[in-house]
Amino acid sequence: DTGVSQDPRHKITKRGQNVTFRCDPISEHNRLYWYRQTLGQGPEFLTYFQNEAQLEKSRLLSDRFSAERPKGSFSTLEIQRTEQGDSAMYLCASSQGLGNSPLHFGNGTRLTVT
Amino acid sequence: TQLLEQSPQFLSIQEGENLTVYCNSSSVFSSLQWYRQEPGEGPVLLVTVVTGGEVKKLKRLTFQFGDARKDSSLHITAAQPGDTGLYLCAGPDMNRDDKIIFGKGTRLHILP
Repeated sequence: DTGVSQDPRHKITKRGQNVTFRCDPISEHNRLYWYRQTLGQGPEFLTYFQNEAQLEKSRLLSDRFSAERPKGSFSTLEIQRTEQGDSAMYLCASSQGLGNSPLHFGNGTRLTVT
Repeated sequence: TQLLEQSPQFLSIQEGENLTVYCNSSSVFSSLQWYRQEPGEGPVLLVTVVTGGEVKKLKRLTFQFGDARKDSSLHITAAQPGDTGLYLCAGPDMNRDDKIIFGKGTRLHILP
């Protein structure tokens, strides 16, 4: 069990650029979640997957955000035409998806939009 | 909208003191989880409570789930600097129980 890994750890980009983040979950976990966290706040739900199927996308997310999990393993989160308000920590978590299975989080990707 | 409200938002106390933080909702939850998050890291699960009135202990941490399953508390005895962190409660969304929502957290700082 190597844990959940996220890449990159930090990303600085200029407003208007596109960015893509990657998450590699724990290998036997079929559920994968993306959250966004701003300073001093709790994680805000963005979207989640059961294997390769995207089950729900937060209504708070604009169309500039898209996530994929093409083979049911790793996932990518893309933000197009970034805005300063997108600056946040983007957290990925995975779980076995059984009952009260805990979420196992990566250490996040910190995005700064200048 | 289902919300988890945590209080206090911030707490700074001296080493050795006791403290309690709270997680409240107007909705019933089938279970609640508590996580601790340190700067630059993702949250780590501390405990899951499932049964109304349930009490779980993890060393100096005591977690309680309310009888009505609408609230939970975390009590820390003889706090230590290593307890410093962001404490988050989380629970399943009422419409999709595999979708986990979080409160805003209590930021705890233990002064040596």
